[in-house]
Amino acid sequence: GQQLNQSPQSMFIQEGEDVSMNCTSSSIFNTWLWYKQDPGEGPVLLIALYKAGELTSNGRLTAQFGITRKDSFLNISASIPSDVGIYFCAGPTGGTSYGKLTFGQGTILTVHP
Amino acid sequence: DAGVIQSPRHEVTEMGQEVTLRCKPISGHDYLFWYRQTMMRGLELLIYFNNNVPIDDSGMPEDRFSAKMPNASFSTLKIQPSEPRDSAVYFCASSFSGGAVLFGPGTRLTVL
Repeated sequence: GQQLNQSPQSMFIQEGEDVSMNCTSSSIFNTWLWYKQDPGEGPVLLIALYKAGELTSNGRLTAQFGITRKDSFLNISASIPSDVGIYFCAGPTGGTSYGKLTFGQGTILTVHP
Repeated sequence: DAGVIQSPRHEVTEMGQEVTLRCKPISGHDYLFWYRQTMMRGLELLIYFNNNVPIDDSGMPEDRFSAKMPNASFSTLKIQPSEPRDSAVYFCASSFSGGAVLFGPGTRLTVL
């Protein structure tokens, strides 16, 4: 089946630094989603991307849908301690438009004050 | 909006016991999903419903797992009998057609 590979697996940064993470696939996705999961909670949708080449921002977060449709990037600018968590990329599979999601392994972000 | 509601939030049980996890999706959403999260396998889809009808249960690990959705506002995931390898966080999520999948807080299951 379709698999998503996220990198890096973990990041340790200082508060104020910018963060970049990416997600790649061997298959084409028509939608890319980025979720964040806080400890003890469910994933929360951060950004949804629908078109190849699309660049979308949500506050300090910016995500891009790769031109090849096989990758996506998430950037966080000026990180703060509450950015700590696990970031997942996800994409719909099986011919569904949205719901049957395949998730990447996640990027664990630690922000030192 | 209350969001997706799951109960219980934590469940500890002994091997062989029946476990029932419950979910109330967001009102108006016509899709409901059950996901499982483990360290080894990450987040994986178990089953999903559309308008209360199971559409794809190919992710259900084995016959010990069953899910029902008797109405638009309630779903259960049952494990009988439970085994230690079933220990995981189980998430319920919902969406409307073409919309974003929104997750509940999860149920952390520990099978001793």
